[in-house]
Amino acid sequence: DVKVTQSSRYLVKRTGEKVFLECVQDMDHENMFWYRQDPGLGLRLIYFSYDVKMKEKGDIPEGYSVSREKKERFSLILESASTNQTSMYLCASKPGGSGPETQYFGPGTRLLVL
Amino acid sequence: GQSLEQPSEVTAVEGAIVQINCTYQTSGFYGLSWYQQHDGGAPTFLSYNALDGLEETGRFSSFLSRSDSYGYLLLQELQMKDSASYFCAVRDPGGYQKVTFGTGTKLQVIP
Repeated sequence: DVKVTQSSRYLVKRTGEKVFLECVQDMDHENMFWYRQDPGLGLRLIYFSYDVKMKEKGDIPEGYSVSREKKERFSLILESASTNQTSMYLCASKPGGSGPETQYFGPGTRLLVL
Repeated sequence: GQSLEQPSEVTAVEGAIVQINCTYQTSGFYGLSWYQQHDGGAPTFLSYNALDGLEETGRFSSFLSRSDSYGYLLLQELQMKDSASYFCAVRDPGGYQKVTFGTGTKLQVIP
């Protein structure tokens, strides 16, 4: 089974702090994604990566950056956390190539910024 | 860009059949996926339609009509554990694997 793990299930940070959310997948997937999920808004893509050191902006990249130094690890960075970044953050991975559009999600990190 | 529309909430009775619709607008099309998410849990993949027609996986079926930019998820013999949110998703055109999700349909199964 594909396993996607995230570094924390719950996190509380203060406004202005630098926050690191880490995601690791164990299936050698080329593609990795970071989403945030808010009530009534569904899943919104922040950034994705299709290869090591490669990244692309999603729909809401402002206030975030990412890092992918190794294939299995994709990090989301909040440079200076703000209260409007309080949300559920979900990481996902997907193999490259064609085929079913199956993304495998981690359990999520619920971030509260005070 | 891509946009998908789903009903926000649906209620159905245990043992019944329910259909969750999804209409999409996309500049290119690579298929429609469906995901299930229980409260507090991660989304899990349910099904994928690349071509028109019905795909069946146990109690769940998914249908696609590319000419109508429309699909649906059909859940049969509803069980209480089917209470969850259901998301449709389309992959964006172009060479990348970016996916756009709908806002989700919260299904409540009642006894």
